[in-house]
Amino acid sequence: RKEVEQDPGPFNVPEGATVAFNCTYSNSASQSFFWYRQDCRKEPKLLMSVYSSGNEDGRFTAQLNRASQYISLLIRDSKLSDSATYLCVVNLGDKIIFGKGTRLHILP
Amino acid sequence: NAGVMQNPRHLVRRRGQEARLRCSPMKGHSHVYWYRQLPEEGLKFMVYLQKENIIDESGMPKERFSAEFPKEGPSILRIQQVVRGDSAAYFCASSPPARRVTGELFFGEGSRLTVL
Repeated sequence: RKEVEQDPGPFNVPEGATVAFNCTYSNSASQSFFWYRQDCRKEPKLLMSVYSSGNEDGRFTAQLNRASQYISLLIRDSKLSDSATYLCVVNLGDKIIFGKGTRLHILP
Repeated sequence: NAGVMQNPRHLVRRRGQEARLRCSPMKGHSHVYWYRQLPEEGLKFMVYLQKENIIDESGMPKERFSAEFPKEGPSILRIQQVVRGDSAAYFCASSPPARRVTGELFFGEGSRLTVL
């Protein structure tokens, strides 16, 4: 089983729709979790941290389920500028592992 | 700009030559990570270094690849006798010592290696 698994997509979603990304991780000792965003031919940038209690930042909501080893990201009222690849990231302590990413295309 | 600085941004090498990629972490950051990203692929962990120490190199190929982070100067990722399969974007990221708690990484813009 891969350390971090994501649906590769692409997700083609009309502007204004809600889109959900899922991610699973294999190491139960994982310490912290994040979603990063990567635009085409650019470096990844932190989008938000993920907590068990769930956290929200504007149109973005992240959730962690430690029992199921599952992480999610919800984007509401999607914008054209949300088109990017979304990377699920797991901190193992000495190593930070990135999922392969889910590509999102927002359609006008 | 006090961000993570990588150079060169683009590097072209012929098969068999050496490639040296440099990374200067953000000010105050003592941890450096190198990741490789093949076209249309995700980021693959290569190595994690602190000043003068390699902490985890489990993602480094056994041959031709090496990394260092000396007491003075940038971190260097060195690829000897490059082959076409080494063509990729190499990203460096840095973090402060508190990374064990926060886990956040700050990335450079990457060095794109093309092997002819």
